[in-house]
Amino acid sequence: DTAVSQTPKYLVTQMGNDKSIKCEQNLGHDTMYWYKQDSKKFLKIMFSYNNKELIINETVPNRFSPKSPDKAHLNLHINSLELGDSAVYFCASSSRTGGTEAFFGQGTRLTVV
Amino acid sequence: GENVEQHPSTLSVQEGDSAVIKCTYSDSASNYFPWYKQELGKRPQLIIDIRSNVGEKKDQRIAVTLNKTAKHFSLHITETQPEDSAVYFCAAPLVGGADGLTFGKGTHLIIQP
Repeated sequence: DTAVSQTPKYLVTQMGNDKSIKCEQNLGHDTMYWYKQDSKKFLKIMFSYNNKELIINETVPNRFSPKSPDKAHLNLHINSLELGDSAVYFCASSSRTGGTEAFFGQGTRLTVV
Repeated sequence: GENVEQHPSTLSVQEGDSAVIKCTYSDSASNYFPWYKQELGKRPQLIIDIRSNVGEKKDQRIAVTLNKTAKHFSLHITETQPEDSAVYFCAAPLVGGADGLTFGKGTHLIIQP
């Protein structure tokens, strides 16, 4: 069973479009995250949710809107896509706040053309 | 917020030799320091972590050391093997244990046959 799964794995879209990435975890974790990994492999947190509530928004443009319908799901919707949004987006989860292993999904490679 | 510096950015070692990757952090309240391994095209996966109440932790060929006074921690891999080739990331909690991790910029470890 996949612990953290996200779809799609690849996403190619034109500038200006709106797209969503879905994430689900079956680990029973309370906390879920979105991370962005750019072309230089830098891994940076975007959002953190605990029990469906937003905890952290790391100065991400408001074109990015996470939504957590329940604590097992954290989806990422991106409006008006820009070339600079091209990256690999990782969903992750952990069992409690700060200080435990984060389990990552397989990543979504977003390419904006 | 927490700032994590990682060195070197690239490390090439002969198979069988040891490899050491070093990280420094800025927030003296940080209490959890994981190391992640990311193979090409794959997700980051935890390989070892250490908490601030211990100075060293070992797991077979890998070990992590922590110096709280100097605010630095290191990953040691002994008897390196080709499958150790990957990008390695150190991390620390965002701010004093808050949700999420701040990652170093990664070290590309290359094992030469």
